[in-house]
Amino acid sequence: QQQVKQSPQSLIVQKGGISIINCAYENTAFDYFPWYQQFPGKGPALLIAIRPDVSEKKEGRFTISFNKSAKQFSLHIMDSQPGDSATYFCAASMRHSGAGSYQLTFGKGTKLSVIP
Amino acid sequence: KAGVTQTPRYLIKTRGQQVTLSCSPISGHRSVSWYQQTPGQGLQFLFEYFSETQRNKGNFPGRFSGRQFSNSRSEMNVSTLELGDSALYLCASSLSSSGANVLTFGAGSRLTVL
Repeated sequence: QQQVKQSPQSLIVQKGGISIINCAYENTAFDYFPWYQQFPGKGPALLIAIRPDVSEKKEGRFTISFNKSAKQFSLHIMDSQPGDSATYFCAASMRHSGAGSYQLTFGKGTKLSVIP
Repeated sequence: KAGVTQTPRYLIKTRGQQVTLSCSPISGHRSVSWYQQTPGQGLQFLFEYFSETQRNKGNFPGRFSGRQFSNSRSEMNVSTLELGDSALYLCASSLSSSGANVLTFGAGSRLTVL
């Protein structure tokens, strides 16, 4: 059972446009929602993250919007640039009970292409 | 500050063989997690180690195992390799503070099973 659903699978945006990637989760025990960016040949790198007690978080051109009641969150990339072309993964984390361990559950990823 | 280092970066094995992958975490990071990345299944959690103890394990068969050494370096082993084990294996380290786990990933070890 996929616990984090991500859409779209691929996205093509013109330079300067807004890229929007959506994710939905099922498990209300999730308490931390990061987005990772992955370039070819590299491992995923943390881009921005949010906790469910906040509805929006902005860092530069990147914004997470969070809707706790709908169990949805999204990444908005403003003024998209060709250098933003990468695969983006949403994720959700919860504490593994009794062990002090956190485990990330990832969406399947969105391949973003920003064309000049 | 050096990042997470994984070796080898690429390797090719045949079915039935075994493989050992190595991960050196960021200095000071005591938690090491392993993830498998494939085009079909995406990123899937394998296991997490902290202070040489496995604290959490994903839904993978017993052929997948790991360990962590006293210097926090970690290894994972896959025995009796199957074609479906072809994947990018990612290691991530974290400080494992009381808050959420902020993971820093290595570049991965790409395993091809023929």
